[in-house]
Amino acid sequence: QQPVQSPQAVILREGEDAVINCSSSKALYSVHWYRQKHGEAPVFLMILLKGGEQKGHEKISASFNEKKQQSSLYLTASQLSYSGTYFCGTEETTSGTYKYIFGTGTRLKVLA
Amino acid sequence: DAGITQSPRYKITETGRQVTLMCHQTWSHSYMFWYRQDLGHGLRLIYYSAAADITDKGEVPDGYVVSRSKTENFPLTLESATRSQTSVYFCASSLTGPGTDTQYFGPGTRLTVL
Repeated sequence: QQPVQSPQAVILREGEDAVINCSSSKALYSVHWYRQKHGEAPVFLMILLKGGEQKGHEKISASFNEKKQQSSLYLTASQLSYSGTYFCGTEETTSGTYKYIFGTGTRLKVLA
Repeated sequence: DAGITQSPRYKITETGRQVTLMCHQTWSHSYMFWYRQDLGHGLRLIYYSAAADITDKGEVPDGYVVSRSKTENFPLTLESATRSQTSVYFCASSLTGPGTDTQYFGPGTRLTVL
C-alpha cells in the first residue's frame, strides 16, 4: 500500500509557508521527496536516511520520524517555481519482491 | 552531458502489437528503473535492474519484458499491448540502490494503445 500524503492539494500565495505530510503503514527506512511539474519528469529534492534526520534545500526542508512512520516536507516563503506535485517515495521488500513506492502525491499551486 | 534519454517521446499503437520503449543513460549508473504513471495511481515501479544482466520485477510487471545487455540501456517491451497499458512511462537511474541515492528520471514516453 502506497504512503498517504496530506493534504491532497494546497493553494498558496507567494511568500506563504506549507507543510506536506507523508505517512506509511509500514516501517520506513528512508524517505525521498520529489517534485513534478506538469508534463515533466519527477525531480529529486532530498533523501532522508535516518530517523529524526532533517535536511534542507534552499527554503525547502524535510523531517523524518521513524516511530511515527512519517515524513514532512516544509516549504518556506513559497515561490511561484514551487508549484507542482510533490511525491514522497520509500522502499520495501515483501516476500523477496523489492518495491520502490511513491506516495499519493500533493498538488501545490503558488499564486502571485 | 546527455544524462538519461527516452525514445520515442510519444507513441500510438494498436491493441495486440509489440512495442519497445528505449532508455539510455550516460552516467554508467548501476541501477535503472521503469515506472508508469497513471491518474489516480501515481508512479508505479514495473521493473528494475541492479546491473547489466540483472533484472527483477517491481510492483506491476505483468505484460512487460525488460532486458539489460549493456549498462547504459534498459529497454522495456510490451509484448502484446493492451488499452490498460496506455500511460506515461518513465525510466530512471541511480548510482547505487534507490534507498540511498538520488534517482534521475528521463523525460518520459507517452504511450497510447488504441
